[in-house]
Amino acid sequence: AQSVTQLGSHVSVSEGALVLLRCNYSSSVPPYLFWYVQYPNQGLQLLLKYTTGATLVKGINGFEAEFKKSETSFHLTKPSAHMSDAAEYFCAVSGGSQGNLIFGKGTKLSVKP
Amino acid sequence: NAGVTQTPKFQVLKTGQSMTLQCAQDMNHNSMYWYRQDPGMGLRLIYYSASEGTTDKGEVPNGYNVSRLNKREFSLRLESAAPSQTSVYFCASSEAKAYRRPYEQYFGPGTRLTVT
Repeated sequence: AQSVTQLGSHVSVSEGALVLLRCNYSSSVPPYLFWYVQYPNQGLQLLLKYTTGATLVKGINGFEAEFKKSETSFHLTKPSAHMSDAAEYFCAVSGGSQGNLIFGKGTKLSVKP
Repeated sequence: NAGVTQTPKFQVLKTGQSMTLQCAQDMNHNSMYWYRQDPGMGLRLIYYSASEGTTDKGEVPNGYNVSRLNKREFSLRLESAAPSQTSVYFCASSEAKAYRRPYEQYFGPGTRLTVT
């Protein structure tokens, strides 16, 4: 069965610092991987996705993620945090029995001035 | 282009009351989903619909019913609300479902439900 583990329920960085949000997955088949962002009191918005091809995926707002099959990881990074990046981030993997995505429990990112 | 819309945005119910959460999408998507979000739990699938007239149970279907009224609309009904159903409910849609080849899902803004 597919599953997702997000390391760290809460990450705090200073403005301008590197953002690194960790995601490890378990999948019995080649996975499709997604990162979503949720701003306070809003729905989820797709940041980026990996399906096939290039393992380094670029998304919106300067975020990118690298698919590493050997490490079963899909970590999300951004070189320089901005105050507007404060939100909750969800990693998700394909393969739910209903064609749905399997979500991690989320990582809340705080950005200090 | 509104995407996925949900009504209401907020709702407070007393235990035992019923209500229906409405969801509509204007992207001509075939698949629609209902999730609930609880602190520290991520999103859990309640029900799913691959097409008009078809629905399937997800991970946590107990206490809920759904209706896929047409291609655009997918409603979630709580027949007898319980405090354990206090949660944020999200509707999502995607272009199609194909095993091992899911399309990205588009989410509505959510309904925040409190059951007292």
